[in-house]
Order: sequence, then structure tokens, then C-alpha cells
Amino acid sequence: AQSVTQLDSQVPVFEEAPVELRCNYSSSVSVYLFWYVQYPNQGLQLLLKYLSGSTLVESINGFEAEFNKSQTSFHLRKPSVHISDTAEYFCAVHNQGGKLIFGQGTELSVKP
Amino acid sequence: SAVISQKPSRDICQRGTSLTIQCQVDSQVTMMFWYRQQPGQSLTLIATANQGSEATYESGFVIDKFPISRPNLTFSTLTVSNMSPEDSSIYLCSVDWTGNYGYTFGSGTRLTVV
Repeated sequence: AQSVTQLDSQVPVFEEAPVELRCNYSSSVSVYLFWYVQYPNQGLQLLLKYLSGSTLVESINGFEAEFNKSQTSFHLRKPSVHISDTAEYFCAVHNQGGKLIFGQGTELSVKP
Repeated sequence: SAVISQKPSRDICQRGTSLTIQCQVDSQVTMMFWYRQQPGQSLTLIATANQGSEATYESGFVIDKFPISRPNLTFSTLTVSNMSPEDSSIYLCSVDWTGNYGYTFGSGTRLTVV
């Protein structure tokens, strides 16, 4: 069965510092990968997704993620974070059964 | 993107009672998904609801506890039956309105059972 592991439950960083949120998945077949963000007391919003093509995908607010098939990873990065990036981030894989499997989430806390 | 309206946004319920959560989408979609997010946990898929057929439940979830209706292509309900404190969670509905893995989520229903 496919699974998703987010290696860090909490990531505290200072504003304008770079950040990497790590995500590894287990699958023996091609996968579709996603990062979702959940701001406090809100629903989930799609941040970016990898379906095919370029292994580097970007979001409109400066985040990027790179699909690494050999390492089965899909880490999320941002070179300079803002206070407004404080949120819970979820990595997910879409399995062949047509379902999204979510990781445990990483709480990003950006401090001034 | 599709707009999903979920009601109620939150509720506090007595144990042993039932709560029905509504999910309304502004576009017609084939499949709607119901998730549970327990406190401090990730999202777990409860069931997939197709219009005109019985919902498909994931392991650990049963129809008697979480009955689902899907009367048309824009609406679904999830009922949490005979509630206990362990049912305290956020319940979210989701759709893939693009057909290209563009899953959109409702804002969720925060349920507290006392």
C-alpha cells in the first residue's frame, strides 16, 4: 500500500529564512504528488502538484517542490518565508485506486 | 476553481445524537469525497460518493455509522450517527472539479462531541 511520510512534524523558522519541508512516499508505480496548505481554522488549499513532465513544480506564492523518483521524495522549499506562510502543510499521493493518501502534516511556524 | 460550501462550520453535540453535514458544490462533479481530520492528525478518507450509487467506504468506516447521500451532481451529505467523544474531528468534503487531479476541499465542519 502506498504511504506518505513527512519527516518533520514542526518546523520553526525566522522570517526571510529558507525552509524545506520533507516528504517521502512509498510506491512501486508512477504517482501523482501534491502539497496542500491549511491556514488556521481554514480548509485545505492546493499549493502545487506533480503529474508529469518537469520534476520541478512551482506555486504562485514562491514555493517549489521537486519530484525525485530515485529517492521517492517530493520536498517543498521556499527561499525566503514570510509570517503569512505560517500554516500546516500536507504532502499527499494519489494512488491507483483514485484516492489521496495524506502525510501526517508539518506545522510551519514563521517567527519575526 | 470550484466553490464548495459546507454546513455547519462547527457544532457541539451530545453523545448518542447524530449530525448531518452538507456539502454543496457550484459545479457538477462525478465523485465527492468525505474526509475526517482528527485533532492533531492528518486527513483520512471516509468514503467516496458517486451520484446514483451507494457510497464506497474505506476500511474502518461503515455505512451505519457514516451514512452518505448523493442525490445529485452538486450535493452530498454525511451523517455522523450515534456520536461519541471519539468522533470529535473536522469533517471535510472534497471534489476533483477539473478531472485533472485538481482536488478542492470545503472549509470543514468542526465537530465536538460532549
